[in-house]
Amino acid sequence: AQSVTQLGSHVSVSEGALVLLRCNYSSSVPPYLFWYVQYPNQGLQLLLKYTSAATLVKGINGFEAEFKKSETSFHLTKPSAHMSDAAEYFCAVSGDGGYNKLIFGAGTRLAVHP
Amino acid sequence: NAGVTQTPKFRILKIGQSMTLQCTQDMNHNYMYWYRQDPGMGLKLIYYSVGAGITDKGEVPNGYNVSRSTTEDFPLRLELAAPSQTSVYFCASGTGNEQFFGPGTRLTVL
Repeated sequence: AQSVTQLGSHVSVSEGALVLLRCNYSSSVPPYLFWYVQYPNQGLQLLLKYTSAATLVKGINGFEAEFKKSETSFHLTKPSAHMSDAAEYFCAVSGDGGYNKLIFGAGTRLAVHP
Repeated sequence: NAGVTQTPKFRILKIGQSMTLQCTQDMNHNYMYWYRQDPGMGLKLIYYSVGAGITDKGEVPNGYNVSRSTTEDFPLRLELAAPSQTSVYFCASGTGNEQFFGPGTRLTVL
């Protein structure tokens, strides 16, 4: 069965600092991987996705993630945090049961302080 | 395009009551999904549909039912509400490997 582990339920950074949110997955088939962002009282919005093309994926709002098969990781980074990046971030893997079912991690809440 | 819309936004139910959460999408997506989100738990798939007339159980289907009579609509039914169903419910639609989420329904069962 597939699963996703997000290391750190809360991450706090200073404005302008590097953002690093960690995601590790397990999958018996080549995975599709996703990062979603959720702002308070809103639904989830896709940041970026990996679908077996380039291993370095660029997304919206300056975020990017690198697929590392040897480490089974898909960490999310942004060189310089902005106050507006404060949100909850979810990593997800597409289910091996097909039909595009997603398995989500527990989420990481990012706080950005001045 | 309104995308995925959900009604109501908030609801309080008494134990044993029933209700239907509505979900509509205008993107002509074949796939639709219902998730629940509990604090610290991420999202769990309740039911999904791959097209009108076709539905199947996800990870946590107990206590829920769905139907898909049209491409646009995918309502979620709670028959006998229980406190364990207090959660935020998200509907999503998609095609390929991308899902688009609605704004959610916050449900409290007391």
